[in-house]
Amino acid sequence: GAVVSQHPSRVICKSGTSVKIECRSLDFQATTMFWYRQFPKQSLMLMATSNEGSKATYEQGVEKDKFLINHASLTLSTLTVTSAHPEDSSFYICSARETTGVYGYTFGSGTRLTVV
Amino acid sequence: GENVEQHPSTLSVQEGDSAVIKCTYSDSASNYFPWYKQELGKGPQLIIDIRSNVGEKKDQRIAVTLNKTAKHFSLHITETQPEDSAVYFCAASFINNAGNMLTFGGGTRLMVKP
Repeated sequence: GAVVSQHPSRVICKSGTSVKIECRSLDFQATTMFWYRQFPKQSLMLMATSNEGSKATYEQGVEKDKFLINHASLTLSTLTVTSAHPEDSSFYICSARETTGVYGYTFGSGTRLTVV
Repeated sequence: GENVEQHPSTLSVQEGDSAVIKCTYSDSASNYFPWYKQELGKGPQLIIDIRSNVGEKKDQRIAVTLNKTAKHFSLHITETQPEDSAVYFCAASFINNAGNMLTFGGGTRLMVKP
């Protein structure tokens, strides 16, 4: 089956610093990856769609300069939260769709970001 | 764009009973309907999915039904067990060769009482 690895699982950082979250498809190629944010007891909110070799497409209301997305290869996408503030504390989840579409969408295990 | 509504938001059942979660979608072009189970602090895990060319799919205690005309689909869990307790999300998408996004329902917190 399709496996997506997301790291780190938890991170605590100080206000004003930047944090990078990695999302890797381990056994398939993913032309497209998705980044979600999830608040407690809420559904997943799509932040951006990341396409290999091109700029990410951000959802309305998501600051592209704050949430930098890089999809440099068919197996790796990164989300960098820049100049983090306490309100950026959340659960971030990535998802990848393998190129043929046969396996649908596979999710990473999520990253709990706490900004202090 | 697509809009997915999910009901109920919480569901409590006795162990061994059945649980049903229902979703409706708005975009008739959607052709892929997955269901995810999310445990606390973890990412969503696909438990079953259905494509628009079939009306029902079953995998052991889990089944999904799809009514394209009415634009709704349901998750059925039979013989529930305490380990089924989690948050369940339905989703809808139009799958083609492009990377179309999933639209999620609001989630259902299922509690199975032993």
